[in-house]
Amino acid sequence: LAKTTQPISMDSYEGQEVNITCSHNNIATNDYITWYQQFPSQGPRFIIQGYKTKVTNEVASLFIPADRKSSTLSLPRVSLSDTAVYYCLVGVGYNAGNNRKLIWGLGTSLAVNP
Amino acid sequence: NAGVTQTPKFRVLKTGQSMTLLCAQDMNHEYMYWYRQDPGMGLRLIHYSVGEGTTAKGEVPDGYNVSRLKKQNFLLGLESAAPSQTSVYFCASLVPGARGELFFGEGSRLTVL
Repeated sequence: LAKTTQPISMDSYEGQEVNITCSHNNIATNDYITWYQQFPSQGPRFIIQGYKTKVTNEVASLFIPADRKSSTLSLPRVSLSDTAVYYCLVGVGYNAGNNRKLIWGLGTSLAVNP
Repeated sequence: NAGVTQTPKFRVLKTGQSMTLLCAQDMNHEYMYWYRQDPGMGLRLIHYSVGEGTTAKGEVPDGYNVSRLKKQNFLLGLESAAPSQTSVYFCASLVPGARGELFFGEGSRLTVL
């Protein structure tokens, strides 16, 4: 089971780029890396997912080095509404027979200031 | 398309009472999960199911039971509630295969007095 480690908290200001790094040293070959965002009193929601190199969508980019032992979520030009907890999750993969015991880390609490 | 629906959303119990949380998903997902979330603890897996009729223990299964009699429903039961089970409970579902995405319910806030 891939265990993840992230910074507990980060602070930023509106308009800045924010990079949150997650360590997952024992990631398995079949595992994808997924990032989620959670607002208070809500369930986490999907932001972005990748396997290796770089993935970009309309809200974020995900950078994964060749060894895949870490990943970095990049949020461009954050706003106050990006204040939330961000989780990286490792374990979703393309082998249906794999253990599906998805374990979450503690997440990173991002505070965006005016 | 409702996604993942949890009922009830709020509940107050007395120590020793029993209750069942219902999670229903309309996406035909195979895998379903129950998590609890406490301040500063992140999400902790209670039980999960990889298909109708199957369940498995997660990280913190003690004091909870689950059933998956129908593919779309995953029930979480507390037989004898304890104050330590005061928490917010989240249900999630996932379709297996490449690049799966977890879909979460809105959460159920349970208080045990």
